[in-house]
Amino acid sequence: SQQGEEDPQALSIQEGENATMNCSYKTSINNLQWYRQNSGRGLVHLILIRSNEREKHSGRLRVTLDTSKKSSSLLITASRAADTASYFCATDDNQGGKLIFGQGTELSVKP
Amino acid sequence: EAGVTQFPSHSVIEKGQTVTLRCDPISGHDNLYWYRRVMGKEIKFLLHFVKESKQDESGMPNNRFLAERTGGTYSTLKVQPAELEDSGVYFCASSRFRTGDTQYFGPGTRLTVL
Repeated sequence: SQQGEEDPQALSIQEGENATMNCSYKTSINNLQWYRQNSGRGLVHLILIRSNEREKHSGRLRVTLDTSKKSSSLLITASRAADTASYFCATDDNQGGKLIFGQGTELSVKP
Repeated sequence: EAGVTQFPSHSVIEKGQTVTLRCDPISGHDNLYWYRRVMGKEIKFLLHFVKESKQDESGMPNNRFLAERTGGTYSTLKVQPAELEDSGVYFCASSRFRTGDTQYFGPGTRLTVL
């Protein structure tokens, strides 16, 4: 079964800096989604990128997808303390709808 | 539009007891999913409903877990009897379409089995 792996597992930066998180997966996908989880809260959907797309933007977020390398990256520009959270990638293999999640990256943005 | 809601937000029970978790999906979303995150591990799929039918229950860990979605609206996930390793956060998600669609997650139910 496919499995997402994220790197780094933890990232600590200063406010204003950019944060880059990477995700790798093993099998063919239909799309890849990024989610954020603030401490003790639910998962918030950030962005969905389809397998035929290479890059997508949403506000301060930029997601890239390289299907040849089976990897994706999430870039958060001009980070804020409120961006402190866990970030997960999840893939949809177009088999039935279930998402396969990565281990997540713990991002800490210091004011 | 109201989001996915889950009840309760927290549950603390003793080993051997029964707990029932509830999920109300976004109105009009035929697809409903259950996931869980056990401490320190990744979020894992449990099962998927399309309306009231179980589309995929390959992630259900064992027969102590029973999920229902009578009428195709809200869903319940019952754990009976609960074991220590069942502790974790149980998430529910819903989507309009089966594949290629955004899944919207609820806030989760934190289950602690003592």
